[in-house]
Amino acid sequence: QSALTQPPSASGSPGQSVTISCTGTSSDVGGYKYVSWYQQYPGKAPKLMIYEVNRRPSGVPDRFSGSKSGNTASLTVSGLQPEDEADYYCSSYASSNTYVFGTGTKVTVL
Amino acid sequence: QVQVVQSGAELKKPGASVRVSCKTSGATFTSSAIQWVRQAPGQRLEWMGWINAGNGDTRSSQNFQGRVTITRDTSASTAYMELSSLRSEDTAVYYCLQEDWGSFRFEYWGQGTLVTVSS
Repeated sequence: QSALTQPPSASGSPGQSVTISCTGTSSDVGGYKYVSWYQQYPGKAPKLMIYEVNRRPSGVPDRFSGSKSGNTASLTVSGLQPEDEADYYCSSYASSNTYVFGTGTKVTVL
Repeated sequence: QVQVVQSGAELKKPGASVRVSCKTSGATFTSSAIQWVRQAPGQRLEWMGWINAGNGDTRSSQNFQGRVTITRDTSASTAYMELSSLRSEDTAVYYCLQEDWGSFRFEYWGQGTLVTVSS
């Protein structure tokens, strides 16, 4: 079960937007609507930011949005703020009731 | 509100087994799945497996080659993850999380348990 592919890093200045990609296969990202995104600060547990491709849990700012096209999902953070500097991981439901996470992307706010 | 509390850090020797517990409150335990995810130092999140807390069905990642056993005690609203034949590469923070069964939402995470494997 291979990890989903994310860029190692992404960056932007405050107020700008950054988009992170998450590429899988037709057996995971491309085959299901259950793609999620997590934010993780060093030494902390991940926090769910997006689920079912583009839905936000209560309390997550609408600056965070998700989308999917084919085997690639994307997370966009608009209006970057200093507190958005963190690691971001995607995950997807995969075949046979399993899940797979992405390789992770470090977002830096310049 | 949902709370997920894990057991404390463990230090184990290679070849040994470790069992991590995961106690939940604030949501109906038997209507949920407990997922297990680990993260080696400086590495990505890795999905390990889940248990249906209602009927006890389990599923685990083939990457662990049968070394993962997930169980639950419904009377204690607690799930357990046992990893056997430990090696140094298993040194990681192990997370559990509670998912409303069928929701596909990994929203309620435990604080993580550091397992160190060293001779």
